[in-house]
Amino acid sequence: QVQLQESGPGLVKPSQTLSLTCTVSGDSMDSGDYFWTWIRQPPGKGLEWIGYIYFTGRAYYNPSLKSRLRFSIDASKSQFSLKMNSVTAADTAVYYCARGSSSSSSRGTWFDPWGQGALVTVSS
Amino acid sequence: QSVLTQPPSVSGAPGQRITISCAGSSSNVGAGYAVHWYQQLPGEAPKLLIYGNNNRPSGVPDRFSGSKSGTSASLAITGLQTEDEADYYCQSYDVSLSCSIFGGGTKLTVL
Repeated sequence: QVQLQESGPGLVKPSQTLSLTCTVSGDSMDSGDYFWTWIRQPPGKGLEWIGYIYFTGRAYYNPSLKSRLRFSIDASKSQFSLKMNSVTAADTAVYYCARGSSSSSSRGTWFDPWGQGALVTVSS
Repeated sequence: QSVLTQPPSVSGAPGQRITISCAGSSSNVGAGYAVHWYQQLPGEAPKLLIYGNNNRPSGVPDRFSGSKSGTSASLAITGLQTEDEADYYCQSYDVSLSCSIFGGGTKLTVL
């Protein structure tokens, strides 16, 4: 049974870089079948897709965040990571990592399972 | 404002049937992209409920079902139970925005 766990600092200062890592257990990250995904949820608000990275290192970013994002993946460590620079209070959110899947019979990608989430607060 | 539109809240009594709508457009649901649904219990991470419009992952009760028609989709829950109280989100892909998108979420209250 695959499990994902986010880790990283819970407090980041404005204008600095937010860094998170997701550790995957129970599954091989280099099978090529999945999209390793980041999603966030501001307190009391809805979900926002940040992007995902494929095992090859090819990344797909939300266009509204793309200029501030960089993903990386280390399948040998079963980890993938997110870096977001120039953060502001608007980036305060619970950040989730998730496994994205798709099928030949269904256009698009769904996310399952999800990590428990990591709250990141941007404040001085 | 979300690209996929959901009602902010719905309610029903135990045992009843409710539906949650998810309205999209010709650049997402209407373009043939599938709709997926998630349940978020209070204080927990979202959990996949329906994928590919109408498929249930193993372990999800058959009280939950999904459908899609044109530019909209719906989640139906029959035999409402108190433990169904949660936020529900629809999700798809938008070809104009080039990204996965979520609805704004619907809070289900079981009276």
